[in-house]
Amino acid sequence: EDKVVQSPLSLVVHEGDTVTLNCSYEVTNFRSLLWYKQEKKAPTFLFMLTSSGIEKKSGRLSSILDKKELFSILNITATQTGDSAVYLCAELTGNQFYFGTGTSLTVIP
Amino acid sequence: GAVVSQHPSRVICKSGTSVKIECRSLDFQATTMFWYRQFPKQSLMLMATSNEGSKATYEQGVEKDKFLINHASLTLSTLTVTSAHPEDSSFYICSASHRRNTEAFFGQGTRLTVV
Repeated sequence: EDKVVQSPLSLVVHEGDTVTLNCSYEVTNFRSLLWYKQEKKAPTFLFMLTSSGIEKKSGRLSSILDKKELFSILNITATQTGDSAVYLCAELTGNQFYFGTGTSLTVIP
Repeated sequence: GAVVSQHPSRVICKSGTSVKIECRSLDFQATTMFWYRQFPKQSLMLMATSNEGSKATYEQGVEKDKFLINHASLTLSTLTVTSAHPEDSSFYICSASHRRNTEAFFGQGTRLTVV
């Protein structure tokens, strides 16, 4: 059974749409949950979440963690074609990372 | 989903010694494996890409003689940090993909501490 599950697996939207990406995780030894954007060579760090209910924002991107329900969401508003990428979430537990398989987002003009 | 296992998950070594990290794809054949190093503020840097049976392709600035990568089989790639120094202390993470430009599955990471 996967430790970190992301949904949807893929998503196609039009420019200007708002998208919500989901990430659920297991609780064992939870330290933090991280979101990455992967376009080319390496995932680019977006957010690290450790506390429940506190929204983190960066421009059109925002993310929040729910430690009771064991999930996190990544929101992207007013999407642009440059947002097309695979979005990964990863749970850091103890000294180990558990990555989800990612959500592939395609934004069409 | 596919499983990629890294071993060890944590290692402490003395300065000057070498450390080998293994990355295994448990239920699929990984034609391509990637090695990353995590830097402060959680950013991941791609170190090298290895294809089974051929030499790894290193990113600019990564010393190939210091970070030896071997991808001898379709299920195993190893990263050896030679003559480790404290500045090599970091998380090292691998990912593996079945075919070029398909999704990659990540290992759990190895935390290396050089004392």
